Amino acid sequence: GENVEQHPSTLSVQEGDSAVIKCTYSDSASNYFPWYKQELGKGPQLIIDIRSNVGEKKDQRIAVTLNKTAKHFSLHITETQPEDSAVYFCAASIADSTLTFGKGTMLLVSP
Amino acid sequence: GAVVSQHPSRVICKSGTSVKIECRSLDFQATTMFWYRQFPKQSLMLMATSNEGSKATYEQGVEKDKFLINHASLTLSTLTVTSAHPEDSSFYICSAEKNTEAFFGQGTRLTVV
Repeated sequence: GENVEQHPSTLSVQEGDSAVIKCTYSDSASNYFPWYKQELGKGPQLIIDIRSNVGEKKDQRIAVTLNKTAKHFSLHITETQPEDSAVYFCAASIADSTLTFGKGTMLLVSP
Repeated sequence: GAVVSQHPSRVICKSGTSVKIECRSLDFQATTMFWYRQFPKQSLMLMATSNEGSKATYEQGVEKDKFLINHASLTLSTLTVTSAHPEDSSFYICSAEKNTEAFFGQGTRLTVV
């Protein structure tokens, strides 16, 4: 089955800096890659996703890149703010199948 | 985005009792819902896939007789933890898909004492 690796497990940045979280996947048939933000005691919230027919997608301060050849995708957060502090999960799936999650990255943005 | 509501958000129960957790899709119909379990500082582990009108599909190692799933309508799936024990204490999260995107409930913190 699919295996998703996520790095780093923790990431500390200063407010205003950029943060990058990277994931790799094993199944070349995977074609949907969402990113979720989970705040303490809450369920994950979708923040951005990308499908295999594009290489990059942006939404304000958040961007995701996908390299299908290398089977890795990354989340980029620019101009980080303290409220960006949370656990971020990447995931991968083949269309209409279940999601396989990475182990998560705890992002801490210090003022 | 779509809204998935999960209830209750927190529950404490005594060992040996059963607890029911509800997952509702508020503004869309979901023929499939998913139940996850999350231990502290860990990722989401898929427990089962809930299918409206048919039996749930359980992941390997998940006891179907302990974690009863009912998906009686297109907007409601329930997870019942039967004969709960302290080791069942965890954060349980449901999700439903709309247009191939997964939307998660708020999660339920179950504590078995």
